[in-house]
Amino acid sequence: KAGVTQTPRYLIKTRGQQVTLSCSPISGHRSVSWYQQTPGQGLQFLFEYFSETQRNKGNFPGRFSGRQFSNSRSEMNVSTLELGDSALYLCASSLVAGPGTYEQYFGPGTRLTVT
Amino acid sequence: AQKVTQAQTEISVVEKEDVTLDCVYETRDTTYYLFWYKQPPSGELVFLIRRNSFDEQNEISGRYSWNFQKSTSSFNFTITASQVVDSAVYFCALSEAASLMETTDSWGKFQFGAGTQVVVTP
Repeated sequence: KAGVTQTPRYLIKTRGQQVTLSCSPISGHRSVSWYQQTPGQGLQFLFEYFSETQRNKGNFPGRFSGRQFSNSRSEMNVSTLELGDSALYLCASSLVAGPGTYEQYFGPGTRLTVT
Repeated sequence: AQKVTQAQTEISVVEKEDVTLDCVYETRDTTYYLFWYKQPPSGELVFLIRRNSFDEQNEISGRYSWNFQKSTSSFNFTITASQVVDSAVYFCALSEAASLMETTDSWGKFQFGAGTQVVVTP
């Protein structure tokens, strides 16, 4: 079974631009979560989608948004990029929402560099 | 509020030595879940183990073993006879269960520790 895939793997953008990252979950998984990883803040939860609905959002500004499609694929968008948005963005998929009965599996991440 | 503390920033060992990674957690919930993930230089987080709060049975999987003790709020991880391929950052994570007010569960409470860098040299 194919794992979680994320595209692109690397991205360089300029301050003020916007960016869209894509995540394809493991086949059959309906929950997709996004995380931001930086050296200073570590791994932080961004948001979670389940059956095309955002179920939870972390403490991030409104410039960070996302969506999930009917095939469970998810995208996240960051508008008006700032230097501090440079990070590894990780996507994780799970069979169901929440850890009650199942674990989540992570993709390889998208390394975003903002200059 | 929940919190995960991995006090060890980096551990360096020589191949074949054992290494134990500490994880201490805080939560007010009686039902919660604990996890360990490995992040090699490639960046992908690899799931290692999951534990429910009501299951304190320790586990061994090959060279990996986990010691869960609710009395000390710890969920420590040991690599026996370390190998160079074990070099990675290891994360402990905690997620509280859905509250009575929530109709369904969510990964929104999933919280990682700061991670411990393990360096295994030949």
